Amino acid sequence: DAKTTQPPSMDCAEGRAANLPCNHSTISGNEYVYWYRQIHSQGPQYIIHGLKNNETNEMASLIITEDRKSSTLILPHATLRDTAVYYCIVRPYSGAGSYQLTFGKGTKLSVIP
Amino acid sequence: GAVVSQHPSWVICKSGTSVKIECRSLDFQATTMFWYRQFPKQSLMLMATSNEGSKATYEQGVEKDKFLINHASLTLSTLTVTSAHPEDSSFYICSARDPPKTTGLAPLHFGNGTRLTVT
Repeated sequence: DAKTTQPPSMDCAEGRAANLPCNHSTISGNEYVYWYRQIHSQGPQYIIHGLKNNETNEMASLIITEDRKSSTLILPHATLRDTAVYYCIVRPYSGAGSYQLTFGKGTKLSVIP
Repeated sequence: GAVVSQHPSWVICKSGTSVKIECRSLDFQATTMFWYRQFPKQSLMLMATSNEGSKATYEQGVEKDKFLINHASLTLSTLTVTSAHPEDSSFYICSARDPPKTTGLAPLHFGNGTRLTVT
């Protein structure tokens, strides 16, 4: 069973903020939310992760709802190079499963000029 | 940041031949590496988990005799597709775990993948 659900595709105008939602209603207390992206014909690239607090780094911001059942990845100023498939993944912080990533179908973000 | 290098980036081989794909961690020692396969328009599927100095653990449905994995050093894991057939044509991606410095949640780092085409 999929642990996360994401819209299959989204468009975003270049220079605008891209907000990518993810539902993870069955997330456990020991699971983090990770975001990766995959540009066409490349390996996945780590973006950001969080547990319950909002996080920000040089690439993006991650907003996690208080009940932790959903999150939003925000690319503040999308560029054409941000066109990719974005994967939202939940991952436990301990145990054997903490070192594996299970990829769903992700959201294909198209940044439009 | 940590870098994982995968080689070759693409390869074309004839049916029945074997192909070896290398995955190297360039600036860290990877005790665990993972091999994924991705068919067109599909997501990544984990094939196997490779631990340095021990046998790989294969996911259900993945033939261990067909996809040979060797992780002889802390910086190199290899995947050999034996007796390749056209249905093995896919995008193969490795990832490596950088031993945690402070927590067990160090992000996994991915190689750029190998496009295998079997003719």
